[in-house]
Amino acid sequence: GENVEQHPSTLSVQEGDSAVIKCTYSDSASNYFPWYKQELGKRPQLIIDIRSNVGEKKDQRIAVTLNKTAKHFSLHITETQPEDSAVYFCAAILSPWDTGRRALTFGSGTRLQVQP
Amino acid sequence: ETGVTQTPRHLVMGMTNKKSLKCEQHLGHNAMYWYKQSAKKPLELMFVYNFKEQTENNSVPSRFSPECPNSSHLFLHLHTLQPEDSALYLCASSQVLDQPQHFGDGTRLSIL
Repeated sequence: GENVEQHPSTLSVQEGDSAVIKCTYSDSASNYFPWYKQELGKRPQLIIDIRSNVGEKKDQRIAVTLNKTAKHFSLHITETQPEDSAVYFCAAILSPWDTGRRALTFGSGTRLQVQP
Repeated sequence: ETGVTQTPRHLVMGMTNKKSLKCEQHLGHNAMYWYKQSAKKPLELMFVYNFKEQTENNSVPSRFSPECPNSSHLFLHLHTLQPEDSALYLCASSQVLDQPQHFGDGTRLSIL
């Protein structure tokens, strides 16, 4: 079925190291891929997004890459800090041409722990 | 200020009670969403409204009943809930369906 798969489910890194989270999607027509960060007890917040006409996007220590051929996209966090510890969700619009189903489908989340 | 306000923040109810969750957005958005977040399914889409019209209902049991009287307000009416319905219920909005979503802080629901 149509879905978004996210790996790994948990990730522990040392402060200063890089972290990479990967998502795959099922519909080659998908065209919008946001990433959300949810700190403990707080709401999910958009941290970066990318559209299918772009292969990579950067915002300071955060970058997202998109491989349309392989149908996967990844979040890269460099020089990780303890405040990066949170659950990260990827998402995609599956069936973008179906006007009745253009809402986001979320991955299952990755719990990132940055060890000081 | 998130721009998306949910009330109440916490709700405890018995299985026979009827209650409603409220969501209000001050962002001028046209699409609104209800999500259920629990340990089993981190972000589970329940309902989608686009320009006040319901466009998605992800096989949600009828004990959950959404209402969208205008583009700024969204309600989730609850009745005869089950213990497994205990979760965080998040509301979100976006300009249109394929634009970034802004989330509220959620309502933590506990069913006794």
